[in-house]
Amino acid sequence: GENVEQHPSTLSVQEGDSAVIKCTYSDSASNYFPWYKQELGKGPQLIIDIRSNVGEKKDQRIAVTLNKTAKHFSLHITETQPEDSAVYFCAASRGTNFGNEKLTFGTGTRLTIIP
Amino acid sequence: DTAVSQTPKYLVTQMGNDKSIKCEQNLGHDTMYWYKQDSKKFLKIMFSYNNKELIINETVPNRFSPKSPDKAHLNLHINSLELGDSAVYFCASSLAGMHEQYFGPGTRLTVT
Repeated sequence: GENVEQHPSTLSVQEGDSAVIKCTYSDSASNYFPWYKQELGKGPQLIIDIRSNVGEKKDQRIAVTLNKTAKHFSLHITETQPEDSAVYFCAASRGTNFGNEKLTFGTGTRLTIIP
Repeated sequence: DTAVSQTPKYLVTQMGNDKSIKCEQNLGHDTMYWYKQDSKKFLKIMFSYNNKELIINETVPNRFSPKSPDKAHLNLHINSLELGDSAVYFCASSLAGMHEQYFGPGTRLTVT
């Protein structure tokens, strides 16, 4: 089955600087790669995603890049703000059939923005 | 205007008891999931249902029995609770074939 590795497990960044979180996956058939942000006491919130036919996607201060050959993808957050502090999860999915869109999650990165 | 809701938010119970967690989504999705998040924050899928039909069962013990009365609801019943069942359980939903999954706020289950 799919295995997703995520690094680093913790990351502290000065406010205003950039943060980068990296993930690798094992199943070459995976075709969908979302990133979730989980704040304390809340459920994971989808913040950006990318599909295997795209190499990069941006949404304001966040961007995701995908290298299918190397089977890794990364989350980039620029101009970090205190509200970016949370646990971030990458995930991978190869589902193509109804109800089969199983997400395999990475182990999470606790991002702390230092004011 | 809650998208995916779960009840209860907290559940404290003793070993051996039976408990249920309820999930409802108002997004018009046809696929719903249960995930378990352990004490190390690791998220793992347990079940998925599409149009009330079980699609994914990730070798979860038989003590866990999901039930989907309709597309908007997916409940999780747990029999004979064990200490190791303590975790946060998240419900999620999606539109089949669209990948994007939206999560509920979670139910923190503590078994003593």
